[in-house]
Amino acid sequence: TQLLEQSPQFLSIQEGENLTVYCNSSSVFSSLQWYRQEPGEGPVLLVTVVTGGEVKKLKRLTFQFGDARKDSSLHITAAQPGDTGLYLCAGEPRFGGSQGNLIFGKGTKLSVKP
Amino acid sequence: EAGVAQSPRYKIIEKRQSVAFWCNPISGHATLYWYQQILGQGPKLLIQFQNNGVVDDSQLPKDRFSAERLKGVDSTLKIQPAKLEDSAVYLCASSNLVGVGYGYTFGSGTRLTVV
Repeated sequence: TQLLEQSPQFLSIQEGENLTVYCNSSSVFSSLQWYRQEPGEGPVLLVTVVTGGEVKKLKRLTFQFGDARKDSSLHITAAQPGDTGLYLCAGEPRFGGSQGNLIFGKGTKLSVKP
Repeated sequence: EAGVAQSPRYKIIEKRQSVAFWCNPISGHATLYWYQQILGQGPKLLIQFQNNGVVDDSQLPKDRFSAERLKGVDSTLKIQPAKLEDSAVYLCASSNLVGVGYGYTFGSGTRLTVV
């Protein structure tokens, strides 16, 4: 069974702080995606990383794909209340599964207090 | 472009009743997915369609769940009969390309409560 473990599960911080969320697996992924989900809504794609070691930046968010393509991290600089939400990582298995299928982690619930 | 439309937004039913959810993907998106998201967990794939054909339904509880995508556009997911553990948000997603790294567009989901 291919699993994606996210940590921490919950994170509550003050506005202006930095934070890092981790997504780890023992399996290799062809790609890894990060989504943000707000209450009552579906997940919204933030970024896709494909190449081992790849780093992508989206304003204050920095995403990194591990060299072995088994893990990823999301770093937020100077968090703002608008960053509050559930952050989900999702991987496309390199081996097994149908093309395009994603395996999701359980998510990290982030709360940024003003 | 219009997003993925789902209805209803909320549904409350008693166990052993039947329920159906509807999804209209983004126009032109060939691939459609149904995911189940139980509270506190990430989405779990139930079924993947490519046009009107099923690509993967290995995690669909076929004794009670069924799904169809007639004409390769909109799709319905049915549960008959419902169990308490089916309480979850049912998310529909679509994608216009299948390949490494193509993300999904999700609908807002249908929150099902089985009492």
